[in-house]
Amino acid sequence: EAQVTQNPRYLITVTGKKLTVTCSQNMNHEYMSWYRQDPGLGLRQIYYSMNVEVTDKGDVPEGYKVSRKEKRNFPLILESPSPNQTSLYFCASSPRTGGVATSSRTEAFFGQGTRLTVV
Amino acid sequence: GDSVTQMEGPVTLSEEAFLTINCTYTATGYPSLFWYVQYPGEGLQLLLKATKADDKGSNKGFEATYRKETTSFHLEKGSVQVSDSAVYFCALNNDYKLSFGAGTTVTVRA
Repeated sequence: EAQVTQNPRYLITVTGKKLTVTCSQNMNHEYMSWYRQDPGLGLRQIYYSMNVEVTDKGDVPEGYKVSRKEKRNFPLILESPSPNQTSLYFCASSPRTGGVATSSRTEAFFGQGTRLTVV
Repeated sequence: GDSVTQMEGPVTLSEEAFLTINCTYTATGYPSLFWYVQYPGEGLQLLLKATKADDKGSNKGFEATYRKETTSFHLEKGSVQVSDSAVYFCALNNDYKLSFGAGTTVTVRA
């Protein structure tokens, strides 16, 4: 089954304790991204990756790191979590179908989400 | 930069009522437009999409038409069911980046 898998689904941690949220997709998609969802703000992009070893900042990258060593995996790293990073996080992937103009027509596939609470 | 503005919620309706959620956007170039739905406790699922002006996306009784002249992509359904209760997000995809609206919570009562 084609899917994007995130782990864990729920996490409660303390301020300053490093954590990693994993994301894996089995669709051989080139493009992957992370979003956070907060009430009244919709989803905001944290980081994205166009392909292996190619990553770039989204709209709200502060306090986060990512890596893309393999095509299928795109972990999100919080080196020193703070309470303002309490949120619902989603990983997404989408295929590259040609040039930029055609690629924008494809939809993104989302994971189930990770609800993170930092106390 | 790109942005999406959608109707504030929450919206509460009775079964078989007509649903409209307004969505307008600001973007350069030729973005694709999407409606995603999020059911309680789940991730986002694509509901429908339109890739160019005047395209109409449709799925599960929902429809939306890509209006370039008014930069809008309003979502409509003629007769809602309890199972349509969810959060609906309007989004645009411009050069790989998805920009989302704030989401509209819809509750349908029997």
